[in-house]
Formats: sequence, C-alpha cells, structure tokens
Amino acid sequence: DAGVIQSPRHEVTEMGQEVTLRCKPISGHNSLFWYRQTMMRGLELLIYFNNNVPIDDSGMPEDRFSAKMPNASFSTLKIQPSEPRDSAVYFCAIRRGPSTDTQYFGPGTRLTVL
Amino acid sequence: QKEVEQDPGPLSVPEGAIVSLNCTYSNSAFQYFMWYRQYSRKGPELLMYTYSSGNKEDGRFTAQVDKSSKYISLFIRDSQPSDSATYLCAMSAKESGGSNYKLTFGKGTLLTVNP
Repeated sequence: DAGVIQSPRHEVTEMGQEVTLRCKPISGHNSLFWYRQTMMRGLELLIYFNNNVPIDDSGMPEDRFSAKMPNASFSTLKIQPSEPRDSAVYFCAIRRGPSTDTQYFGPGTRLTVL
Repeated sequence: QKEVEQDPGPLSVPEGAIVSLNCTYSNSAFQYFMWYRQYSRKGPELLMYTYSSGNKEDGRFTAQVDKSSKYISLFIRDSQPSDSATYLCAMSAKESGGSNYKLTFGKGTLLTVNP
C-alpha cells in the first residue's frame, strides 16, 4: 500500500446509483493506473494516465465508467449508473519513473452493488 | 488463449516445504517479469522483478525465467505460515513508440502454508 491512498475502503450501493472512487498518490509518480479485481477475471487494467493524461482506456468496460486525473495528486473513477456486475475490488496503482514498470498498489476499494 | 496463464490453486503445503509457483505466457514481446504477493483484503505488493532469462534470488525466494519456453517460476524455500497469500505473476512489453509499460497479470495462485 506504499504511496497510495484510496477512499472509500468499502462502498455498498444500490443498482442505478452513481459511485465515485478516489485515489490519492502520496509519493512521486509519473503514471497512475486503475484496476478491477474479481475472482472470475482476476486483475484487469481499466485505464492509465501518464503525467495526468489518459493514455489507454481500452479496458474501461462501458460508457458507464469514466476516470479523471485533474492533477498529479488526485484521480477519480466514476460509475454511473452502477450495476451488480460492477461489484469488485478496485485498485489504484502508481509507477514512480519513466524507466521502470514496477507498480505500487493502494489498498483497494471493495464495491458492492445490490 | 489468454496472454498469461496461472494455475489458481489453491495450494496447501506444510511449514518448511519448498513451494513452486508457475506462469506461462504467449506474447513473445514480454520482456519484464514480476511476482506480486497479495495478502487477503490488501493490495498486491511487488515481491520479485526480473528482466533476463535465468534465476534471481532474494532470501528465501527465487524467480526463474525461461524465455525460450515462455515460462516463469517462483520458488519459496522453507515456507512459513506468513507466506500464506495469493501470488500473482505479471509481465510487460514496451509499447511501440514510447516508454509506457502496461502490466498483464496472471489470475493468481492462492497459497496456504500450514504450521
């Protein structure tokens, strides 16, 4: 969990509601990644940013998902409207330099959509 | 065929056993190989990182890469109950035209070391 704060840690919501997940890197980085983890599909990359610019959002499952990174210290992943199949653990991760591909993960947000 | 295949287990061993965890991959462009350890209800944490074929040792852990066979392994010697976790392999290939590295993960192997 080094260097990344995620909130909330747990979220329970009802189908159709908007959900916003937050990520706050607390140490230097140049890339930020959003992942989703489920038992069935494992850890899947949703989107990543380089220097706050979205580079690859091909993993975003549908238009219901959107992500922003307004500055180097904050990113959000929004689901609107949420569906039960969105239930998963969502991780934010950072990469600390352009010449390395090791990533450091936050503690995750466990989302349950009823 | 998935790019990275990893047996999900579960794998249960007695304390002190040697553990072998494996992944196979299909993408020849993968250059960098990592093992992450994930404790229950925590984020994955980097355990080992290798680039070339061969072995890399760090304490009780040894990572092995065989690029010709597209096969990587993680060995844990003298396993301890504290090693009980899910182990995920990950690999990356440099994207064309830039220095962006996306990681492709295996689904993870759940390991339990029994005292």
